[in-house]
Amino acid sequence: GAVVSQHPSWVICKSGTSVKIECRSLDFQATTMFWYRQFPKQSLMLMATSNEGSKATYEQGVEKDKFLINHASLTLSTLTVTSAHPEDSSFYICSASYAPQGRYEQYFGPGTRLTVT
Amino acid sequence: GENVEQHPSTLSVQEGDSAVIKCTYSDSASNYFPWYKQELGKRPQLIIDIRSNVGEKKDQRIAVTLNKTAKHFSLHITETQPEDSAVYFCAASQYNFNKFYFGSGTKLNVKP
Repeated sequence: GAVVSQHPSWVICKSGTSVKIECRSLDFQATTMFWYRQFPKQSLMLMATSNEGSKATYEQGVEKDKFLINHASLTLSTLTVTSAHPEDSSFYICSASYAPQGRYEQYFGPGTRLTVT
Repeated sequence: GENVEQHPSTLSVQEGDSAVIKCTYSDSASNYFPWYKQELGKRPQLIIDIRSNVGEKKDQRIAVTLNKTAKHFSLHITETQPEDSAVYFCAASQYNFNKFYFGSGTKLNVKP
């Protein structure tokens, strides 16, 4: 149980275009979803926290107009990278949490590798 | 905000030896500390976690210790095996708020 999927697994886009990444919890309803960014050989940097039906909360330094997050349902959150630039190239990972018996664990998706040319 | 520091950045051990990875955190309100293992190109996987009301937790070859006063916690892997080779991340969180702040990661290499 507690499976999280991401789509696409990788994407290449041209500079200036927008890219949408989907994060789905497949077998549970996630109370919260999170978006992380990971550069090669570096740690996971929390970008934003997303709750269903409400606006995402962005971490300091993350441009909310550039990284649009929509949390349409308890099983789906999307991250749209708008007007992508080569410096946006990175590995984007989502996670979803729920609270079975009061435990707030996070389950990670497989990640999406974005390359902006 | 929370700041988590992790050491060492790389660690090489011989198969069968023990490995220790250490993390410190800054926010005394943090009360949940998970450890994740990430293999190249794959998602992080939870391997063990500890809450602040416990000083030590063990699961087979893996153990975690927590010193709340000093704000540091450590991952201990005994009898290491080549398949333990991966990047390990510690994280700190406030249980009710649920946001994880990750350390910088430790690349563990277990030599056969």
